[in-house]
Amino acid sequence: AQTVTQSQPEMSVQEAETVTLSCTYDTSENNYYLFWYKQPPSRQMILVIRQEAYKQQNATENRFSVNFQKAAKSFSLKISDSQLGDTAMYFCASTFGNEKLTFGTGTRLTIIP
Amino acid sequence: KAGVTQTPRYLIKTRGQQVTLSCSPISGHRSVSWYQQTPGQGLQFLFEYFSETQRNKGNFPGRFSGRQFSNSRSEMNVSTLELGDSALYLCASQEGGLNTGELFFGEGSRLTVL
Repeated sequence: AQTVTQSQPEMSVQEAETVTLSCTYDTSENNYYLFWYKQPPSRQMILVIRQEAYKQQNATENRFSVNFQKAAKSFSLKISDSQLGDTAMYFCASTFGNEKLTFGTGTRLTIIP
Repeated sequence: KAGVTQTPRYLIKTRGQQVTLSCSPISGHRSVSWYQQTPGQGLQFLFEYFSETQRNKGNFPGRFSGRQFSNSRSEMNVSTLELGDSALYLCASQEGGLNTGELFFGEGSRLTVL
């Protein structure tokens, strides 16, 4: 079965600190994409960062970066210099080589002023 | 460009009724996907349409159906509503034929079944 697991239901961190959200997955596919999506309270889901499985270099987008360990099937998200606007549900997801996204259960992140 | 638009945003139905939800994708996007979001089950894939054809379908009963029109707008229908169908239904669109996963989501339609 192709699954995405997020083991941290909730996290909180002080503003300006760095936080890492964990994600592991299971697949036998070799070519797939991995994503972190952000869903702010009562607002629409947006893409934070994307990683192609065949690329060894970790993706970065401004304050957001990933640690992609393909052999370990791990895909964590690091948020540096966290801001109040980072408060949201964060979902790890993958295509696993087909036309749908499989999501993890999410991590609720709260940035404390 | 306008974003993904879903209507209605909120609706309340009773058991046994049916409901139709609408989604207008970003202009130029030919793929539309639907997801159900609930606190207990998280985000579950319903189906995906590309150029009016259903390309993929999730593990939902036949009461859940969808379609896509020639202008890429999509509708999903749920018949014989059950209490467990209460959820946020999210529509997402993407541009290309190959799924790269870079979906653009709407704000969702929140369905409450009484």
